Parts: sequence; C-alpha cells; structure tokens
Amino acid sequence: AQSVAQPEDQVNVAEGNPLTVKCTYSVSGNPYLFWYVQYPNRGLQFLLKYITGDNLVKGSYGFEAEFNKSQTSFHLKKPSALVSDSALYFCAVRDQTGANNLFFGTGTRLTVIP
Amino acid sequence: NAGVTQTPKFQVLKTGQSMTLQCAQDMNHEYMSWYRQDPGMGLRLIHYSVGAGITDQGEVPNGYNVSRSTTEDFPLRLLSAAPSQTSVYFCASSKSRDPSPATQYFGPGTRLTVL
Repeated sequence: AQSVAQPEDQVNVAEGNPLTVKCTYSVSGNPYLFWYVQYPNRGLQFLLKYITGDNLVKGSYGFEAEFNKSQTSFHLKKPSALVSDSALYFCAVRDQTGANNLFFGTGTRLTVIP
Repeated sequence: NAGVTQTPKFQVLKTGQSMTLQCAQDMNHEYMSWYRQDPGMGLRLIHYSVGAGITDQGEVPNGYNVSRSTTEDFPLRLLSAAPSQTSVYFCASSKSRDPSPATQYFGPGTRLTVL
C-alpha cells in the first residue's frame, strides 16, 4: 500500500526566509508524487509533480521540490517566502494500481510572518 | 473553461435526509473523483470514475453512491445523511493519461453539515 506522511502540522517562517515543508512517502515501486496548496475556503491548486527524471522539480509560484529516493522524501521548498504563501499544503502519492487516485498526507499549515 | 464546478457551496441537512452534491467539468476529462476533507486527516477518496458508465469505490465509500452517465457530470448521493458525513467535499477531474500520471484539478468544494 502507498502512503505519504507530513510530519509537521504547522510551519512558521519569516517573510524573505527560505521555507521547507516536509513529506516522506512509502510505495513499493516508483513513486508518482504531487504537491497541492489550499488557500482558505478554496479548493486545492496543483503546484508540481514528480514522475521521473531530475530530482529537483520546479513548479508554480516559485516553489520547487526535491525528490530523494534514499530518504524516501519529497520536500517542498521556496528560496524566499512571501506572506501570500501562507496556506495549507498537501503532499500526495498516486495510486499504484493504475487508477489516477491520490493518497494525501494530513497537510501542513504554513504561516509566513511579516 | 469553467474547470470543475460544484454545487451547492454550503448545505445543512438533518440526520436521515438525502441529497445530491453536483460536480461538472468542461475539460473533457475521462477521470473524475470525489474526496472528503476532515480536520487532521487530509483528503480521502470516496468514489471515482475512469469514464462514462464506469465507477468504483475509493477508501471511504460507505454511505455514498455515484453514477457517471455523461463525461461531464459526476454527482455524489447521500441516501441517508449521518453526522459522521459532516465534512468538506471536493470533486476532481483529470485526463486518464497525460501521458504521465495526470494532474488532477479540483473544484471549490461543498461544505456539508449534518445535524
């Protein structure tokens, strides 16, 4: 069975500082990994995905994620945080049975402090 | 394109009532799905469909029915609402293949309260 874990419920970072939101995964084969962001009272917005290839994936709004196979991690990063980045972030892994279903982590609330 | 639309945005039901949450997409996506979001639990898959006429159960299907008579629409039915179904419901859609695993696009959600 596949799953992802987000070990931090809350991450606080000062505006302008780099941010990292952590995600680890558990799959039996090659993982297909996603990051989504949810702003208050909104649906989820796609940020980026890792399928294969470069371990550093670039996405929307200046975000990137680093895939690390040995550590089974897929951490989301941004070099300089903005107050507008404050939101709920979800890591997800695709169902390995072939259907395009996603298994989500429990989410990490990012707060960027002005 | 309107993308993925959901109605209603908010709904309050009494225990035992039935209702249908509507979901539509105008992107000609084969795959559609329903998730529920509960605090501290992330999103969990309720039902999904890989095309018109084809549906299957996800992680938490009990108490919910779905059908897919057209490519565009994927309604979620609660036959007899229970307080445990109080949640925020999201519909999502994607191509079946992108060619790589396809990105899912989410609707704005329906906030359901069952009293």
